[in-house]
Amino acid sequence: DIAVTQSPESLAVSLGERAAINCKTSRSVLHRSSNNNYLGWYQQKPGQPPKLLISWASTRESGVPDRFSGSGSGTDFTLTISSLQAEDVAVYYCQQYYSPPWTFGQGTRVEI
Amino acid sequence: EVQLVQSGAEVKRPGESLKISCTGSGYNFARYWIGWVRQEPGKGLQWMGIIDPADSNTRYSQSFQGQVTLSVDKSTNTAYLQWSSLKASDTALYYCAKVRFEAGLAGSPFDLWGRGTLVIVSS
Repeated sequence: DIAVTQSPESLAVSLGERAAINCKTSRSVLHRSSNNNYLGWYQQKPGQPPKLLISWASTRESGVPDRFSGSGSGTDFTLTISSLQAEDVAVYYCQQYYSPPWTFGQGTRVEI
Repeated sequence: EVQLVQSGAEVKRPGESLKISCTGSGYNFARYWIGWVRQEPGKGLQWMGIIDPADSNTRYSQSFQGQVTLSVDKSTNTAYLQWSSLKASDTALYYCAKVRFEAGLAGSPFDLWGRGTLVIVSS
């Protein structure tokens, strides 16, 4: 199985400031033939199911604010919130879908 | 409206059996695999397994292989997760989720989630 490790476990950021969450996979999730990284990012607010924010490591889903961006390749990835808003308080998860089981990271809690 | 509707919360005794459901609507149910994800109280997300509604092909995480069974009824657009003998450690919130891409096991994130079914196992 591909292990997925996120850091930090929690993060406190002032409103309007930048937040960055790291995600590391134990093996590369870059599919060479397509040049796609099989990695997604989710946001989970209390009492709600997760919401897909980003797929293929850097492609924002429709309707996701552009303050959310994903970067990285191979085994190291980052989710950046460029200017934290109050509604961004949540737990964020990365997930590799390169090889089943499509494992999740342990989550990063973002607070104000 | 595109949605996945999950069955209601369950309270069971250890050793009992259980089958929870997830019904899709607003999209072509047979074209997109359905996955199941466990979330223990206050914990993270665990990928349990995935099923192809078109032919019931399944893939389980080794952590859940033999502990649960995934199934699907194409005629009612419903996927199921079942246990034959529950344990206290099965207490959790269980989500079903639809894959984003028609990629099967080639890999896809989940873009549509149910609200979750809370399962409590207690003597």
